[in-house]
Formats: sequence, C-alpha cells, structure tokens
Amino acid sequence: GNSVTQMEGPVTLSEEAFLTINCTYTATGYPSLFWYVQYPGEGLQLLLKATKADDKGSNKGFEATYRKETTSFHLEKGSVQVSDSAVYFCAQGGTSYGKLTFGQGTILTVHP
Amino acid sequence: DTAVSQTPKYLVTQMGNDKSIKCEQNLGHDTMYWYKQDSKKFLKIMFSYNNKELIINETVPNRFSPKSPDKAHLNLHINSLELGDSAVYFCASSYAGAANEKLFFGSGTQLSVL
Repeated sequence: GNSVTQMEGPVTLSEEAFLTINCTYTATGYPSLFWYVQYPGEGLQLLLKATKADDKGSNKGFEATYRKETTSFHLEKGSVQVSDSAVYFCAQGGTSYGKLTFGQGTILTVHP
Repeated sequence: DTAVSQTPKYLVTQMGNDKSIKCEQNLGHDTMYWYKQDSKKFLKIMFSYNNKELIINETVPNRFSPKSPDKAHLNLHINSLELGDSAVYFCASSYAGAANEKLFFGSGTQLSVL
C-alpha cells in the first residue's frame, strides 16, 4: 500500500541554520506530494505541493522537489527562523476524495 | 471568518460517556474528513464524506459515528468513550476528487478521557 516515511525528529536548530527534512514515499503511479505545517495549537495548513516528477514546490522560503527516481520529496530552507518552529508533515495524494497519506511528522524547534 | 471551525476546542470527560464534536466549513467544499492525531503527532484518517455520502471509512471502532446533515457540516459522535480515544481530532474539507487539492483543516479538538 501507499506510505510516507519522514526523517525522525525532533530537529533542533539555531536561527539562520540550513534545514532539511527527508521524506520518501511508496506508491503505485505518481501521486501528488505535499508538505503541511502545524504551528502550536493550530490545525495543519498546506506549505507547498508538487503534482508531477521534477516539479518544485516553494513557499515562505521552503522548497521541495518531486524526485521520481529516488521517490523523495525532501523539504529544505536555507535560513530558518524561530517562527518556523512547528511540526512538518509530508503527505501523498490518494486516488480520490483527497485521501492523503501522511508521514509521522517531524517536530522542528528553532532557537534564537 | 474561520474557514473550517470545530467545537469544542477542548473536551474532558469520563470513561463510558458519550460525546460529540461538531464541524462546519464555509468554503463551499463538498468533501469533509475526520482525522485523529495521537500523542506522537501521527495523523490518520478516520472518515470522509462527499455530499453527505460516506466515502472513506477506515478501520475505526463502531463506537465512532459520523453524521453529515449537509455538505457544510460533519459531526462526530463517540459512544462509550475509552482511555485510548484521548487524542486531537481534526476536521478538514476539500473539493471532491481532491488528489491534487489541498485540505483545509480546523484547529482541532483535544479530547481527554479520564
């Protein structure tokens, strides 16, 4: 079945450090891929997405590239801020009705 | 205006009780969902409704019963609450056939069963 695996957390960084959160997926076909972010006390919100191989999604300084050959969708940001502290979820789209399969989430804490 | 709103935000109750969580969306979406997030942040879909029709029903105890009176509302009723039901429950909505669409989430209901 479809699955999404994220790098284990938690991740702790200093402000302005480089961030990578790894995500790999297994699926039949070529699903859409997403990164969602959950700030403390809030629901998830879409951060970025890519719908086909080699697409790059980007938003708020975050980027992720859909790599078909490595079945990966790693999240990167060149310089993190304290306000980026949150839980990050990688997800893949389902066959219908928006059934997303989520990874286990990675807790990111950024210190000043 | 809140796009997906769910109430209550916090729910503390005793084992064996029956409780409901309500969800409403004002985005005009025709598909709504319930997700459960455990203490380790793992997120799992429970149910999905499209135009008031049950579409996704994952392996969930039948103590959990969703009800969709119209496509803007999806409520979750839980009978005979157990300790293991303690979690954060998220409502979400999207357009149908939404493999490429984004989901809009409510802010969650933290359920604590004592």
